[in-house]
Amino acid sequence: NAGVTQTPKFQVLKTGQSMTLQCAQDMNHNSMYWYRQDPGMGLRLIYYSASEGTTDKGEVPNGYNVSRLNKREFSLRLESAAPSQTSVYFCASSVRQGDYGYTFGSGTRLTVV
Amino acid sequence: EDQVTQSPEALRLQEGESSSLNCSYTVSGLRGLFWYRQDPGKGPEFLFTLYSAGEEKEKERLKATLTKKESFLHITAPKPEDSATYLCAVQAGSSASKIIFGSGTRLSIRP
Repeated sequence: NAGVTQTPKFQVLKTGQSMTLQCAQDMNHNSMYWYRQDPGMGLRLIYYSASEGTTDKGEVPNGYNVSRLNKREFSLRLESAAPSQTSVYFCASSVRQGDYGYTFGSGTRLTVV
Repeated sequence: EDQVTQSPEALRLQEGESSSLNCSYTVSGLRGLFWYRQDPGKGPEFLFTLYSAGEEKEKERLKATLTKKESFLHITAPKPEDSATYLCAVQAGSSASKIIFGSGTRLSIRP
């Protein structure tokens, strides 16, 4: 099925370890986003890419880096994981920035111990 | 400070019992308000976009309305499959990336 695919679905890291969350979409969307979702706090934007070749910080970028590898793929990297980064991470895409019919992936549940 | 508040946090209804979910917002320069549905263990699914006060959108048993300070998601004669968390989000200011999500209303429909 067409949509947004995230890997892995679950991950446990030790404090200080690094990892990359992968996201790919097959809808030919231009814009892609990374969010984190924490209980009682709503979704918060980490980074976004309005189009291939561009990336910008969102509301909570500290501790993260991103790479827009090509039009389809947008990865999120944690260089040195901290317990405060325990969360559910969602990747989303849209036809263009400002188009809010976002398509979300199914999420990555990350635990940092 | 821009803010989006959803109420109630949780709502339990009997099948067929209509009700409304509330999303109140305080933002500078509202450009759009969005409703999403999220099932457990899944990502949010887009439902509606509303742009101006007085606007209404409908989809099956759901109807979203917008005023200058809040939005309502009306659920008419709900079924158990309508059980989910409903998220409200607003776009504020001049930046297209500045979207603020509420924390959601968890809706449970009992058969």
